Amino acid sequence: QKEVEQDPGPLSVPEGAIVSLNCTYSNSAFQYFMWYRQYSRKGPELLMYTYSSGNKEDGRFTAQVDKSSKYISLFIRDSQPSDSATYLCALSWGKLQFGAGTQVVVTP
Amino acid sequence: GAVVSQHPSWVICKSGTSVKIECRSLDFQATTMFWYRQFPKQSLMLMATSNEGSKATYEQGVEKDKFLINHASLTLSTLTVTSAHPEDSSFYICSARPLAGRSSFYNEQFFGPGTRLTVL
Repeated sequence: QKEVEQDPGPLSVPEGAIVSLNCTYSNSAFQYFMWYRQYSRKGPELLMYTYSSGNKEDGRFTAQVDKSSKYISLFIRDSQPSDSATYLCALSWGKLQFGAGTQVVVTP
Repeated sequence: GAVVSQHPSWVICKSGTSVKIECRSLDFQATTMFWYRQFPKQSLMLMATSNEGSKATYEQGVEKDKFLINHASLTLSTLTVTSAHPEDSSFYICSARPLAGRSSFYNEQFFGPGTRLTVL
C-alpha cells in the first residue's frame, strides 16, 4: 500500500465548474499537507499548505484536511482553462511524500 | 519568491556517456537540496538528499555510484548520471530548502523547472 494515494485522473470539467481533488494517506506522522501544481514539463509550484485539520482558503483555492480520516482535499472554484495542469498532494514529516498527481483539464 | 534553476533543461546523450545536471538556488542559500525523478504520468520519487559539504543520502534502490551528487556550495548542487542507459531516461527535478528565514513552514522546498534526459 502506498503511503499517499491519489487518483491520477484525468479529470475533465467545464470552465467555471468546481474542481474537487483529494488524497488519502496512511501514516499519521505526517505533519504538513501541501498541494502543488505542475504544468507539463515543468517543476511543481506550491499552491497551498496547511498543518492542521480544517479548511484554508486562498482566492479560488480551498484546502481541506481531515486528520481523523487521513483525507485531504483541494477545491478550485470558478475553474479556468489556465488551471489545466497536474495537481499533486504532498505530505511531510521530514521528507516530502508525493501523491501520483491528478491531471485536470478545464475545457472552455 | 525563491527561485531555483536547472541546467540544462533538456539533454540527449548516447548510451554509456555521463551527463551532469546543475541545480542552483538563485536568490537564497540552501542548506539542503533534493533530487527527484519523475517518469511520465507518475509522481516525483525522491532519489537523494544532499547537504552542503557532506555526502548525499540516497533513497533505497538508488545506486549512489550511478547517480553522483555533489553539493559544493550553499547555492549549487550537481547530479551526474554516469554511464547512462535508456532506462535512465526521465525527468529529473531538484528542489532546495532555504536557510531559516525564507520558508513559510518547516521543510518548505522550492523546485527547479526540471531536466529532461533522453538516453539513446
